[in-house]
Order: sequence, then structure tokens, then C-alpha cells
Amino acid sequence: QKEVEQNSGPLSVPEGAIASLNCTYSDRVSQSFFWYRQYSGKSPELIMSIYSNGDKEDGRFTAQLNKASQYVSLLIRDSQPSDSATYLCAVRTNSGYALNFGKGTSLLVTP
Amino acid sequence: DTAVSQTPKYLVTQMGNDKSIKCEQNLGHDTMYWYKQDSKKFLKIMFSYNNKELIINETVPNRFSPKSPDKAHLNLHINSLELGDSAVYFCASSLEAPGGPLHFGNGTRLTVT
Repeated sequence: QKEVEQNSGPLSVPEGAIASLNCTYSDRVSQSFFWYRQYSGKSPELIMSIYSNGDKEDGRFTAQLNKASQYVSLLIRDSQPSDSATYLCAVRTNSGYALNFGKGTSLLVTP
Repeated sequence: DTAVSQTPKYLVTQMGNDKSIKCEQNLGHDTMYWYKQDSKKFLKIMFSYNNKELIINETVPNRFSPKSPDKAHLNLHINSLELGDSAVYFCASSLEAPGGPLHFGNGTRLTVT
């Protein structure tokens, strides 16, 4: 299984700050990338998907993809305590029929 | 309406027993999956079915047997349960690859005593 690497954290940011979450992947041919948020005891929910190099913005969230560096990141602007969760980076596999997940970064937004 | 539903939500059983988890999706997706999330929260693919056909079968003990009666259902049967099987099992679905993201069910927390 190809690897998806994330810093496990916890990443602690004050309320209102920008949280920056990073992910690297090993499979050069990967084409689809996703960020999921998972609250404790809940299922993963999709935050962002990105398929092309560059930035993609959706509300307070911005996903950034650099295929040459095999790097994808998620920025959360104006962080809120409700953003405190584990953020999972996912990369579609070669076969296209599954996603490989990183181990997640725990984010804590302090009031 | 729940898009991906799995039952039961909690399952507590003893070693050696056989148990099943059921999953249904009403999204019209072609591909369904089983993922296992261990105590360290790592989500690992177990199986993937596309239009009732097994596509991915990762290194999973053959005590685990998926069954897909139709493309809206994917069940997971586990024989001779072991302590190490304790985890949260998530069902998910997606449009046929290379489609979009996965949509997850609420998970089944399996505890083997």
C-alpha cells in the first residue's frame, strides 16, 4: 500500500488564527486528493477535494496541491473551536478503487 | 435520509463467535468499501466492490468475507472473532472510479472480549 504521511500533532492554534495541515504522498501517479474531518466517535466527513495543481478555496478552507513535490495541504482560516478534530488526508490509489489515508493530524483550536 | 447506513452501531461479542455487519447505500453509487479503523485511528482499506464484483482484497485474514447481493448492499461477515479484530469498521461508497470522494457510514464499533 502506497504511503500517505501526516504529522500526527496535536497542532494547537488560537481561535481566529490560520491552521495549516500538511500531507505528503509517495505514489507519483496519484490524481485525486481529499481532506476529511473526523470528530471523536464519528465518521470521516469530506472537507475538500482537489485534482489539479494550485489552490482551491471553499469558505474558510483552502486546499493546495503540488504534484511535483507530492504535497497537499489544507489551510483553515479564522479557526474556530468547532474545527477541533482529526484531519485525514486521502489519496486515490493506482487502481482508482479506494483511497489511502494518512494517520491524521489532530487539531486543537483554543478559545 | 441516511445515505450510507450500517448496522449494528455497536457489537460486543466473545472470541470465537461469528458476526455480520450490514451496509446499505441509497446514493446510487457503483462502488462500495469496507475500511477498518484501529485504536490509533488509522483507516485501512479492507475490501472494495464495484457493481457487485470484488475489486480490492487487501491483506485481510480469510475469516473476513464480504458479500454484495446487489450494488446497494455490502455486508461483512467475520468468522472466529479474535481480540485483534476489535476496531471500528466503516462502510463507504463512491461513484465508479475514477469518480469522486468516498461517503462513509456511521461506523460499527466491534469489541471482542
